[in-house]
Amino acid sequence: GENVEQHPSTLSVQEGDSAVIKCTYSDSASNYFPWYKQELGKGPQLIIDIRSNVGEKKDQRIAVTLNKTAKHFSLHITETQPEDSAVYFCAASIEGNQFYFGTGTSLTVIP
Amino acid sequence: NAGVMQNPRHLVRRRGQEARLRCSPMKGHSHVYWYRQLPEEGLKFMVYLQKENIIDESGMPKERFSAEFPKEGPSILRIQQVVRGDSAAYFCASSPGANNQPQHFGDGTRLSIL
Repeated sequence: GENVEQHPSTLSVQEGDSAVIKCTYSDSASNYFPWYKQELGKGPQLIIDIRSNVGEKKDQRIAVTLNKTAKHFSLHITETQPEDSAVYFCAASIEGNQFYFGTGTSLTVIP
Repeated sequence: NAGVMQNPRHLVRRRGQEARLRCSPMKGHSHVYWYRQLPEEGLKFMVYLQKENIIDESGMPKERFSAEFPKEGPSILRIQQVVRGDSAAYFCASSPGANNQPQHFGDGTRLSIL
């Protein structure tokens, strides 16, 4: 099956700085890559996703890049705010029926 | 504008009892997925269901665990004869279709086994 690795496990940034979270996947057949934000006591919330036919996607302060050759994808958050503090998960999907999740990155934005 | 609804939010059971977790998908969604999350870990896929059918249960333990999604009513994840190792957060997600449709998650059921 697919194996997704995520780094770093923890990340602290000053408010206003950028944050980057990286994931790698093992199965070249994976073709859908969502990112989720999970706050304490809540379920994961989809924040952005990218499909394998696209190299980059942006939504306001959030962007995701995908390198199919290297089998890695990254989440970029610019102009970070304290409310961005949460755990972020990447995931990969081959046929969309089962998501394989990374182990999460705990992001802390320091005011 | 209801999202995925899970109940109960917290469930406490003693070893050997049964746990029933319920999930109502978003309106218009006919695909339901169950995941388990251990503390400080990612989510692990358990089972994927459509109405009245189990499509993929490759992540489900072979014993004590079962899931259903009846024609009417919520999806149910059932754990029989619970053990301490079953303590986890169980999340349900739904999507409008298969094949790379975004999955939307509920807020989970936190199961604690005494």
